[in-house]
Amino acid sequence: EAQVTQNPRYLITVTGKKLTVTCSQNMNHEYMSWYRQDPGLGLRQIYYSMNVEVTDKGDVPEGYKVSRKEKRNFPLILESPSPNQTSLYFCASSLSGTTNEKLFFGSGTQLSVL
Amino acid sequence: ILNVEQSPQSLHVQEGDSTNFTCSFPSSNFYALHWYRWETAKSPEALFVMTLNGDEKKKGRISATLNTKEGYSYLYIKGSQPEDSATYLCARSGSARQLTFGSGTQLTVLP
Repeated sequence: EAQVTQNPRYLITVTGKKLTVTCSQNMNHEYMSWYRQDPGLGLRQIYYSMNVEVTDKGDVPEGYKVSRKEKRNFPLILESPSPNQTSLYFCASSLSGTTNEKLFFGSGTQLSVL
Repeated sequence: ILNVEQSPQSLHVQEGDSTNFTCSFPSSNFYALHWYRWETAKSPEALFVMTLNGDEKKKGRISATLNTKEGYSYLYIKGSQPEDSATYLCARSGSARQLTFGSGTQLTVLP
């Protein structure tokens, strides 16, 4: 089954403790992206990747890192999480990244930073 | 319009009613308009991607129209069912690579 898999679904952590949210897709998509969803705001893009070893900042990249060492995986790293990073995070992918292609989303990670 | 705006923010309808909601967006440098359906605790799923002025798309009881000159898109649901309850997101692209999402319309269909 074609899918984007995110883990974990729920995560509670404390300020400053490094964490990684994993994202994997099995559709051989070139484009992958991370978004955060906060109440009253639309999905905001954190980082995106057009292919292996090619990443770029989205609208809200501060406090986040990403890597794309393999085509299928695109982990999101919070080196020193802070409470303002409490949010619902989505990973998404598409075939080549042009915006006339639909995005496939993971099931989301609800992160709480205490 | 500087951002992607969706209205209303939320609405409740009775089962069997038809309903529609609006996505407004900057009309300049338009590239594509997306609609997604997001059920609670699930992943957003693509409904439609539209690129041309006057585009109309249909999927079952759901349809969408696009006006790129004036910067709006309508999503229609005919004969709403409880399973249509979800948040409907639109996203607009002003380039080949970047999507800007609206904050969504939360629809509740009452049985």
